[in-house]
Amino acid sequence: EDQVTQSPEALRLQEGESSSLNCSYTVSGLRGLFWYRQDPGKGPEFLFTLYSAGEEKEKERLKATLTKKESFLHITAPKPEDSATYLCAVDSWGKLQFGAGTQVVVTP
Amino acid sequence: EAQVTQNPRYLITVTGKKLTVTCSQNMNHEYMSWYRQDPGLGLRQIYYSMNVEVTDKGDVPEGYKVSRKEKRNFPLILESPSPNQTSLYFCASSLSSGREAEAFFGQGTRLTVV
Repeated sequence: EDQVTQSPEALRLQEGESSSLNCSYTVSGLRGLFWYRQDPGKGPEFLFTLYSAGEEKEKERLKATLTKKESFLHITAPKPEDSATYLCAVDSWGKLQFGAGTQVVVTP
Repeated sequence: EAQVTQNPRYLITVTGKKLTVTCSQNMNHEYMSWYRQDPGLGLRQIYYSMNVEVTDKGDVPEGYKVSRKEKRNFPLILESPSPNQTSLYFCASSLSSGREAEAFFGQGTRLTVV
């Protein structure tokens, strides 16, 4: 059965303390892996698409990487405004499956 | 401004009372979908539409109906709501079915069925 698992469930960081979020997946026929940011009371906001192992994408302090079995979202020198829940999703044969998310809190 | 608009944002209703959650997008997107989000379960797709008059079931369609009579609108209908449909609902739109993951999401509708 296809599965998408995100870890940790929650992460508390000091401002400037870099860290990584993990998204591991067991799906057949991966067509793409996607990262989103979700602020409280809002809908998810699309961040990145990764298609193949070794691919990397960057946006400000965020960098997403992909291997054959997992993806990492690296947050470098985070700021309080990076506090959000980060969701990953995989497209397996046209079906989008989401993980439960990692809630990140960055304190000043 | 490009946006997906859902209404209402909050709704409390009683079991069995039919309700409709509206969704409208102003980006001329072909693909629209509805999700529900429950703690620990992530987003799960309810229904999707690849274009006008074309709709199909997602992962959790039971108890829901949709229609797509115009490109911009994709309402979600609960004919006889039950307490297990208490959830946070999101409408999303994207350019086409090949790019459904690169979606714009609405603000969400928090539904409570008592």
